[in-house]
Amino acid sequence: GDKVKQSPSALSLQEGTNSALRCNFSIAATTVQWFLQNPRGSLINLFYLVPGTKENGRLKSAFDSKESYSTLHIRDAQLEDSGTYFCAAERDSNYQLIWGSGTKLIIKP
Amino acid sequence: EAAVTQSPRNKVAVTGGKVTLSCNQTNNHNNMYWYRQDTGHGLRLIHYSYGAGSTEKGDIPDGYKASRPSQENFSLILELATPSQTSVYFCASGEGLGVETLYFGSGTRLTVL
Repeated sequence: GDKVKQSPSALSLQEGTNSALRCNFSIAATTVQWFLQNPRGSLINLFYLVPGTKENGRLKSAFDSKESYSTLHIRDAQLEDSGTYFCAAERDSNYQLIWGSGTKLIIKP
Repeated sequence: EAAVTQSPRNKVAVTGGKVTLSCNQTNNHNNMYWYRQDTGHGLRLIHYSYGAGSTEKGDIPDGYKASRPSQENFSLILELATPSQTSVYFCASGEGLGVETLYFGSGTRLTVL
């Protein structure tokens, strides 16, 4: 089965609303990264997480290694937040990432 | 800001031909990676490198070779391209010092006919 499972697979939101994306891990993840792939295809690093939380503007992410999940919260969604969000987990601190299949997020005006 | 440059941006190759995808990073990062991205999948690791002269197999290395002649350059080589290798390929670099944020190139779209 999927070692890194993302949910939902797709999400459509009105501008100005909030959302929560989730990754569940069936591996012993040591760190987690969240990326946004924008509509042009570029991959942008959003967060690098050890267990704990980080916040950057309207984005907030948490990683709970004991419960094996990570979340990404988007507050006050804007049109430019549209794209596909990926989480990727590092196992055993060997720098190799295992990727989820992504959440496609569409923000509507 | 990290700079990772891939070339070419688009490539059409014929079955059985040789394809070389190039990646250059200007950040003096130790680690470099090659991924492919297909619809319905996250990124899958093909090969990676810990530094000049080093190449390691990732999760899906079959049909691919890699070369790291210098700190800055990391190439992915398809000796005998097949249609199943049609995909978007991403190169990434990372510091490799324990806390590693990855920086990605813009991708290469490869079509094998």
